[in-house]
Amino acid sequence: KAGVTQTPRYLIKTRGQQVTLSCSPISGHRSVSWYQQTPGQGLQFLFEYFSETQRNKGNFPGRFSGRQFSNSRSEMNVSTLELGDSALYLCASSLSHYGYTFGSGTRLTVV
Amino acid sequence: QKEVEQDPGPLSVPEGAIVSLNCTYSNSAFQYFMWYRQYSRKGPELLMYTYSSGNKEDGRFTAQVDKSSKYISLFIRDSQPSDSATYLCAMVHGNQFYFGTGTSLTVIP
Repeated sequence: KAGVTQTPRYLIKTRGQQVTLSCSPISGHRSVSWYQQTPGQGLQFLFEYFSETQRNKGNFPGRFSGRQFSNSRSEMNVSTLELGDSALYLCASSLSHYGYTFGSGTRLTVV
Repeated sequence: QKEVEQDPGPLSVPEGAIVSLNCTYSNSAFQYFMWYRQYSRKGPELLMYTYSSGNKEDGRFTAQVDKSSKYISLFIRDSQPSDSATYLCAMVHGNQFYFGTGTSLTVIP
């Protein structure tokens, strides 16, 4: 059974640019959540999508957005990148509250 | 105050030691409790899951939940170098997960 696939694995962008990250959940999982992980803040919830609808949203500025497609694949977009956006972005899919399965993440570096 | 508090460590123990990792929480509505393990350059992986007060054992791992004290623990017996990782506690209310910041553990051979 394939796991959660995130692409790309590594990304270097310049301040002011925008970036799109992709996540393919486990087959059959309809819920996809995105997290930002930094050494100081730990895992911070960005948003959750379920059946193409945003179900929950964390406390991030509007520069962070996402969407989910009919096949449950999800993308997140960050516009006008700032240095502080450098982080590991993790996608997780789940069937229910029984727990997430995380991808390996996309390491974003903003220079 | 954060909803989930976890001592970041780092924690360093000799091989074979018993490790105790802990989290406290403030929201009594949390229903499900989990522990994740995260190796370097990888995403977190689910280690233990429980939904009630008491102990749950899986091999060398025991998860303990005390809802009256709002306190959860993960015990690792006979720790191995391969247990060296960051351990994150997580709690669920409704559809939302809340994570601790993680405790970094190193088991020295």
